[in-house]
Amino acid sequence: QSVLTQPPSVSGAPGQRVTISCTGSSSNIGAGYDVHWYQQLPGTAPKLLIYGNSNRPSGVPDRFSGSKSGTSASLAITGLQAEDEADYYCQSYDSSLALFGGGTKLTVL
Amino acid sequence: EVQLVESGGGVVRPGGSLRLSCAASGFTFDDYGMSWVRQAPGKGLEWVSGINWNGGSTGYADSVKGRFTISRDNAKNSLYLQMNSLRAEDTALYHCARDKGTQSNWFDPWGQGTLVTVSS
Repeated sequence: QSVLTQPPSVSGAPGQRVTISCTGSSSNIGAGYDVHWYQQLPGTAPKLLIYGNSNRPSGVPDRFSGSKSGTSASLAITGLQAEDEADYYCQSYDSSLALFGGGTKLTVL
Repeated sequence: EVQLVESGGGVVRPGGSLRLSCAASGFTFDDYGMSWVRQAPGKGLEWVSGINWNGGSTGYADSVKGRFTISRDNAKNSLYLQMNSLRAEDTALYHCARDKGTQSNWFDPWGQGTLVTVSS
């Protein structure tokens, strides 16, 4: 079981908005460490989606947004598209060691 | 283009050793820390180990501490992971990734990975 907890799965219809939560504790997210998000399409390497809680790398659509509050963080995807179907992982630090959430599978209905 | 290419994976018996390599190109290698992240078949991501720009600071997940050693050769733009006393639970696709940021690093980009299978 991961120290960062994500829902195993979420789903939404095209055009809808979905959110993925990442719940930590006072020793990781709550300690002030930033949260980052990755998208992993089937059969490919993970790709950086959000860094520093809410920043999008160049090339990532503004449909993707991140936020952090207290001991949790969230990834929001608006205007859901079929190509968004993938696994999503949050990442932060605990005692100066990197750690990932367990991952969330997004299904576009 | 920034590129990371892993090699060295294969099938090894429990208790055996393997050395993974990651060749970096398209960026100034010794400006960045680097990490190894693995993914067991059908499972999530697990950070394995990280190293700072000059090799002077390293970190390991508890699951591999004492068995794995990360190193780098900046002259060869290469990252390594020496894996000893391998166990079945070490079976995974091993990715190398470039560290970015200052305190709370993120990983960008990632290599495609090299598969390690530990089986008798």
